[in-house]
Amino acid sequence: GEDVEQSLFLSVREGDSSVINCTYTDSSSTYLYWYKQEPGAGLQLLTYIFSNMDMKQDQRLTVLLNKKDKHLSLRIADTQTGDSAIYFCAENRGNMLTFGGGTRLMVKP
Amino acid sequence: ETGVTQTPRHLVMGMTNKKSLKCEQHLGHNAMYWYKQSAKKPLELMFVYNFKEQTENNSVPSRFSPECPNSSHLFLHLHTLQPEDSALYLCASSQVMGESTDTQYFGPGTRLTVL
Repeated sequence: GEDVEQSLFLSVREGDSSVINCTYTDSSSTYLYWYKQEPGAGLQLLTYIFSNMDMKQDQRLTVLLNKKDKHLSLRIADTQTGDSAIYFCAENRGNMLTFGGGTRLMVKP
Repeated sequence: ETGVTQTPRHLVMGMTNKKSLKCEQHLGHNAMYWYKQSAKKPLELMFVYNFKEQTENNSVPSRFSPECPNSSHLFLHLHTLQPEDSALYLCASSQVMGESTDTQYFGPGTRLTVL
């Protein structure tokens, strides 16, 4: 299986919260990232969290990190249709980024 | 706009053609990367250049040939490609590869179709 794992698909209603989960493997990863990819576009850096933090909040985005379980999550509050995209988590492993397979978020009006 | 541009955005080529993809970054970064994104695989790192020197070649077939003339520009020369090479090719840059705090910024990608 993939070293960085994400569920493939998430569907939510507009206005609800979305939670996208990720598990990673390298406990020595210094930074963990969330990228967003809209159709036909490249990857947009959304946010990142340093490994000595448990939580980081940036407007509607909240990142939670559980180092013991190697679990990372991205919560999007008040999800909008414009949030529909593929979300990738990535870990900084050995000075290189290793990406998960991406979670496709679909927001229904 | 991330400060990383790629041209062309779309490319259709035959298996006997030779073409090149171009990436330019306006961020003053020193490291540049090529990734391949296929429909059914995770993002795959292909090549890394750090201060114009190639530091990673992730077992990429020789029909892909990278070139980095300076820290701002990166090319991917393509020849004798196969249909399975059809994918989105993404370029990224970062300040300095190898530092644990390094963050990569991506271009919009070139959608390549090999007929």
